[in-house]
Amino acid sequence: DQQVKQNSPSLSVQEGRISILNCDYTNSMFDYFLWYKKYPAEGPTFLISISSIKDKNEDGRFTVFLNKSAKHLSLHIVPSQPGDSAVYFCAAILSGTYKYIFGTGTRLKVLA
Amino acid sequence: DGGITQSPKYLFRKEGQNVTLSCEQNLNHDAMYWYRQDPGQGLRLIYYSQIVNDFQKGDIAEGYSVSREKKESFPLTVTSAQKNPTAFYLCASSIAGGPVGELFFGEGSRLTVL
Repeated sequence: DQQVKQNSPSLSVQEGRISILNCDYTNSMFDYFLWYKKYPAEGPTFLISISSIKDKNEDGRFTVFLNKSAKHLSLHIVPSQPGDSAVYFCAAILSGTYKYIFGTGTRLKVLA
Repeated sequence: DGGITQSPKYLFRKEGQNVTLSCEQNLNHDAMYWYRQDPGQGLRLIYYSQIVNDFQKGDIAEGYSVSREKKESFPLTVTSAQKNPTAFYLCASSIAGGPVGELFFGEGSRLTVL
């Protein structure tokens, strides 16, 4: 049972445009969410996070939006750059634990 | 430099053999984790440990075992009971006992069963 879902396995975007990556979750006991970027044969690296008490968090070109009623979060990358091409994972943490649950990932390709 | 070291980076194993993947961290983190990555399945949690001498099963613990005798070390043994062990394995750590924060990952170990 996949509690964190990324329904788009891949996404292609033109350089300079906005990339929007989506993530849905089913467990209302998740209280913290993170986005990670991963290149092949490497460990994921942290991008940005958001607490469930907020609905938006920005860090440079990256913004994460959280819609708790819809159990949906999204990562916006503006402007997209070729170096952003990677697999992006969203993750959620179960309240009161340190258990991180990851989604299936979305492969982003930014075209020059 | 502080970080997480996984070894070996590549490992080949014959069917029926146990193999142990090493994970060491010098970040002074309390919590450590093992994930497995398969194509199209994302990162799935195998085991995690929040403190020394204690660990919990994740979503796919069958066929795996761990130990946490030292804060900085969290080795994973892939046993012969694991039916499909070929995968990319990732170790991670985080601060525990305070505000929840990011996971720090190692570079991964790729296990291939021949």
